[in-house]
Amino acid sequence: AQSVAQPEDQVNVAEGNPLTVKCTYSVSGNPYLFWYVQYPNRGLQFLLKYITGDNLVKGSYGFEAEFNKSQTSFHLKKPSALVSDSALYFCAVRAPSGSSYKLIFGSGTRLLVRP
Amino acid sequence: EPEVTQTPSHQVTQMGQEVILRCVPISNHLYFYWYRQILGQKVEFLVSFYNNEISEKSEIFDDQFSVERPDGSNFTLKIRSTKLEDSAMYFCASTEGTGGNEQFFGPGTRLTVL
Repeated sequence: AQSVAQPEDQVNVAEGNPLTVKCTYSVSGNPYLFWYVQYPNRGLQFLLKYITGDNLVKGSYGFEAEFNKSQTSFHLKKPSALVSDSALYFCAVRAPSGSSYKLIFGSGTRLLVRP
Repeated sequence: EPEVTQTPSHQVTQMGQEVILRCVPISNHLYFYWYRQILGQKVEFLVSFYNNEISEKSEIFDDQFSVERPDGSNFTLKIRSTKLEDSAMYFCASTEGTGGNEQFFGPGTRLTVL
């Protein structure tokens, strides 16, 4: 069965420092991987995805993520955090085959960027 | 920029009542989804809909739930007889199709069952 793990409930980082939000996955076949961000009382906003190709993918708001097949990881990164990046981040996986292409989400990681 | 919209933003209902949550997906999208998020928990898949029929549903999506695309633009989730444990944020999502397209989510409807 497909699954996603986000081992950290919360990540704290100082503004201007690099940030990493971790995600590991389990899926049969080649995975399609996504990161979404949720601000308070808002829906999920798409940040970036990995489908195929370069292992380092770039997305919105300066975020990037590195796909590592051997470690089954897809960690979200940003070189310099902003206070406005504080939000809830979800990693999700979608198996490339199947009839519905539903997303399986991790439990979420709250990012807190302090000034 | 096109976006998924949902109404109402907040619905309060009594246990046992029927509720209908409404969504307007992005117009050229073909695949539609409902997810829910119980407060403080992960986002869970409920159901997917394509070509006017359910393509997959989760264990949560029991006989109390139904979906419909009545007029080619709206996509509704009906809960026939609400339970306390149905209290959650319900998100609608849509996507153009397969092949790696991301899903676009609406802002959600917060359902409170009293």
